[in-house]
Amino acid sequence: DAKTTQPNSMESNEEEPVHLPCNHSTISGTDYIHWYRQLPSQGPEYVIHGLTSNVNNRMASLAIAEDRKSSTLILHRATLRDAAVYYCILGPLGGGADGLTFGKGTHLIIQP
Amino acid sequence: SAVISQKPSRDICQRGTSLTIQCQVDSQVTMMFWYRQQPGQSLTLIATANQGSEATYESGFVIDKFPISRPNLTFSTLTVSNMSPEDSSIYLCSVDLAGGHTGELFFGEGSRLTVL
Repeated sequence: DAKTTQPNSMESNEEEPVHLPCNHSTISGTDYIHWYRQLPSQGPEYVIHGLTSNVNNRMASLAIAEDRKSSTLILHRATLRDAAVYYCILGPLGGGADGLTFGKGTHLIIQP
Repeated sequence: SAVISQKPSRDICQRGTSLTIQCQVDSQVTMMFWYRQQPGQSLTLIATANQGSEATYESGFVIDKFPISRPNLTFSTLTVSNMSPEDSSIYLCSVDLAGGHTGELFFGEGSRLTVL
């Protein structure tokens, strides 16, 4: 599986935008970029995914570099509830037949 | 979306015993995945359980230790056999509602096992 590299932790202030980076230099042409987050004591939840173009949904935006070797998850206005571990994962659409491989993720801390 | 219920939510078990975790989904799904999350760690895929076929295990996980059943499209069980303290983890089930067409996996809340 192609690997991703994320900072171990990041800190941001409430009500400010947050940019979470992810490097994936060995991404293949068919790999989607998935983002999940895991709030304390909960199972992971889907945030967003994309292939080549930037994507927006109600939770976040995903900015994908033109060469697809990196991406950035953007939370436009962080709240305390956004404090979680954020996972950037490469893989087929959905889980494919093999599930998704989680890395260590970025622990996002939100300061009030 | 999907509602995924896992039982038990947590349990304390004695070394050498076995425990079966149940995963119930409120809609029919083809693909279901079982993950383990050891304390302070990320998630590791244990196996993929598709209805009508044998579960497929990831490297490092074997059927004798983690037998899985998938009797229908809404239910699965994972058994942790002959437990040791190293099996203390959160076990999560996950489903792909749309057969891989939406990019979204749904996860249960997890079953937290502590083995003494």
